[in-house]
Amino acid sequence: EAGVTQSPTHLIKTRAQQATLRCSPISGHTSVYWYQQALGLGLQFLLWYDEGEERNRGNFPPRFSGRQFPNYSSELNVNALELEDSALYLCASSSDGYEQYFGPGTRLTVT
Amino acid sequence: DQQVKQNSPSLSVQEGRISILNCDYTNSMFDYFLWYKKYPAEGPTFLISISSIKDKNEDGRFTVFLNKSAKHLSLHIVPSQPGDSAVYFCAASATGGSEKLVFGKGMKLTVNP
Repeated sequence: EAGVTQSPTHLIKTRAQQATLRCSPISGHTSVYWYQQALGLGLQFLLWYDEGEERNRGNFPPRFSGRQFPNYSSELNVNALELEDSALYLCASSSDGYEQYFGPGTRLTVT
Repeated sequence: DQQVKQNSPSLSVQEGRISILNCDYTNSMFDYFLWYKKYPAEGPTFLISISSIKDKNEDGRFTVFLNKSAKHLSLHIVPSQPGDSAVYFCAASATGGSEKLVFGKGMKLTVNP
């Protein structure tokens, strides 16, 4: 069974640009979660999508947004990039709302 | 405001001995707790969880203890193996499941052969 996949592995952008990160959940999983792990911090919950709808979001500004597609894959968009957005972005999927399976992450660097 | 705290950034133990990883939380609404393990360049891997209605949960070499009155949980690994060397994250949720997990900063465990 294929795990959660994320693309790209690394992404380098400059300030004010937009970044798009993609996530494919495990087959059969309908929930997708996005987390940010900045240097020296734990994982910070960003967004939760289930059945195509945004169900909850963490304490992040509106320039962090995303969507979930009919095949349950998801993308995270970060607009008006700032230097402090540089972080590892992790996607996780779940089928039951309990155990979350994580992808390897996308390393976003903003210069 | 760190609601889930892993106050020790690292722990080093000898192979075969017990590893005890600690986690404290401040939000009394948390009712579901999880431990994840993370190797470099990989995403976190689920280890074990516990609901607030329990005080102990075991899975092989891994046992999680929950002390609700102290708002403290711990992960015991017995016996520790070199392959257990990784960063361990404690996480908590107030939803009874894993929606909107709050993670600690992580603790690096090194198991020496």
